[in-house]
Amino acid sequence: QSALTQPASVSGSPGQSITISCTGTSSDIGAYNSVSWYQQHPGKAPKLMIYDVTKRPSGVSNRFSGSKSGNTASLTISGLQAEDEGDYYCNSYTSSSTWVFGGGTKLTVL
Amino acid sequence: EVQLLESGGGLVQPGGSLRLSCAASGFTFSNYAMSWVRQTPGKGLEWVSTISGSGASTYYADSVKGRFTISRDNSKNTLFLQINSLGAEDTAVYYCAKTGGYTTQPNDYWGQGTLITVSS
Repeated sequence: QSALTQPASVSGSPGQSITISCTGTSSDIGAYNSVSWYQQHPGKAPKLMIYDVTKRPSGVSNRFSGSKSGNTASLTISGLQAEDEGDYYCNSYTSSSTWVFGGGTKLTVL
Repeated sequence: EVQLLESGGGLVQPGGSLRLSCAASGFTFSNYAMSWVRQTPGKGLEWVSTISGSGASTYYADSVKGRFTISRDNSKNTLFLQINSLGAEDTAVYYCAKTGGYTTQPNDYWGQGTLITVSS
């Protein structure tokens, strides 16, 4: 159950777009369309932002979008805002009937 | 409104045991699989365990298999995590999370977490 691979940090200026990648294997990301993304602010619980690769829960801004190609999933945030700053984690279901998270990416809004 | 309230964390000596609880409200508890996820201070998230809505099916991360036991009491809308043989590597904030329904669905609501510190 190795963690999914995410960049440690990304940054962008307000109004710009950024993309966070999440690389797994053919046993997790590549096997299922069960990739989700979470946002976490310091001292707070994670918040679901994207599920089933591309779907947004009710109330999540349409500035957040997800995609997948092969064993790599991506989260794109367009029109970057200061409130988007925080940590982002990808998550995937696996062929072992377990779940695995990425190591997390710290987003800094410059 | 979905609410998840964890309790039972604290300071425990290496080799000790703890039982975490998570009181759920705002949804039909028995219809949803539930999970525990932990986060080491200053580090990332680690999935720990998931249990089906009926409690008949349980799943564990390799790192906790044999030491942790997930269970639920649907009559009391409460989720549990029994943790035995605690080690320093188990020091973390433990989150209770509701899934979208089945064990194959992601966690859509999370509690605020309860901290376990393993130290002598």
